[in-house]
Amino acid sequence: DTGVSQDPRHKITKRGQNVTFRCDPISEHNRLYWYRQTLGQGPEFLTYFQNEAQLEKSRLLSDRFSAERPKGSFSTLEIQRTEQGDSAMYLCASSPPSTGFYGYTFGSGTRLTVV
Amino acid sequence: AQSVSQHNHHVILSEAASLELGCNYSYGGTVNLFWYVQYPGQHLQLLLKYFSGDPLVKGIKGFEAEFIKSKFSFNLRKPSVQWSDTAEYFCAGHFGNEKLTFGTGTRLTIIP
Repeated sequence: DTGVSQDPRHKITKRGQNVTFRCDPISEHNRLYWYRQTLGQGPEFLTYFQNEAQLEKSRLLSDRFSAERPKGSFSTLEIQRTEQGDSAMYLCASSPPSTGFYGYTFGSGTRLTVV
Repeated sequence: AQSVSQHNHHVILSEAASLELGCNYSYGGTVNLFWYVQYPGQHLQLLLKYFSGDPLVKGIKGFEAEFIKSKFSFNLRKPSVQWSDTAEYFCAGHFGNEKLTFGTGTRLTIIP
């Protein structure tokens, strides 16, 4: 499969625990994005990487959230001290090198349930 | 602030009916517009996109959308829907930065 891969597909955690999600983009894509989708809403932008550099972060990304892309390949999104409001689908997307914007390819997402 | 609005939250149609889903955006500059579809249990898939040129854009599975700049709209259409079109449809806009701004989505249910 040469698409965007996300792991795990589902995660159930107790409030207060830390969780980490992984995203593997399409191999030649240097841009990587994280979005969050809650029930009844469209995806909301969280953060964006170009290679290993995190270039933009949304105000939605509180201090409990951190994202990394250490070698410019896969990325991780960590949520510390999870809260029930963090329950959502976390989506990763990637796009190829380009001087413009041409849209991107989404992964299947990681569904987080905080109980 | 840039925004995308989808006013139809849930649309129910019978097979073979014609479809039009509304999408409006708020932005004064150059926009790129997208329609994504999410089938039950699957990831977001690109249906079609508009960057420039012909305002009538054709996508996959018989869908098309028309960009009307004067109305800030990008409505999605299909002349005859099928049961397999049951899904959630998201309109999204690119407003000059790296991110997409999505609407809240329209759930489409097709009755056989």
